[in-house]
Amino acid sequence: AQSVTQLDSQVPVFEEAPVELRCNYSSSVSVYLFWYVQYPNQGLQLLLKYLSGSTLVKGINGFEAEFNKSQTSFHLRKPSVHISDTAEYFCAVSGTQGGSEKLVFGKGTKLTVNP
Amino acid sequence: SAVISQKPSRDICQRGTSLTIQCQVDSQVTMMFWYRQQPGQSLTLIATANQGSEATYESGFVIDKFPISRPNLTFSTLTVSNMSPEDSSIYLCSVGQLLNNEQFFGPGTRLTVL
Repeated sequence: AQSVTQLDSQVPVFEEAPVELRCNYSSSVSVYLFWYVQYPNQGLQLLLKYLSGSTLVKGINGFEAEFNKSQTSFHLRKPSVHISDTAEYFCAVSGTQGGSEKLVFGKGTKLTVNP
Repeated sequence: SAVISQKPSRDICQRGTSLTIQCQVDSQVTMMFWYRQQPGQSLTLIATANQGSEATYESGFVIDKFPISRPNLTFSTLTVSNMSPEDSSIYLCSVGQLLNNEQFFGPGTRLTVL
């Protein structure tokens, strides 16, 4: 079975500051890793994914994440945040059938960007 | 990427009634999933719905409470039966794309049970 731990439930930052949202996973098999964003009153949008290859993954809106197998982590980073990045961010893991396997989500991190 | 719509977008229902949520996809997909997001919580998978077979339910979810239909490759419904206030949640459908190993989510149905 797989599980995901998002270490911070809320992260407040000031505009233009860097941010890191932490995610650790547990699995006995190889996994795919995802970050989704949920803006207020909207559905989920995929930010980025790690399937294989380079451990540094770049996504939309200037976000990137680094897969660290030894630490079983997949932390999300952005060097300079905007007010519009205020949202809830979910880390998720699936088996390596990807689109045909269920996603296991972390509890989410609420990012609040203040002016 | 797949475009997914859900109906209704939100509803307020009385205890003991049932609500059927529709999920429509703009392309044929094999795998469809139904998730629940309780207030302030993460997403939990309810069931996986494949066309032409019975839905597969996760632990803690049963067909009598959450019957699912999957009549074709672009459509599915989830019914929340005999509702109680604890069923107040956002219900989201998603579809899996094997080509790029992603799941795409619908906008969700926000259900409030009084």
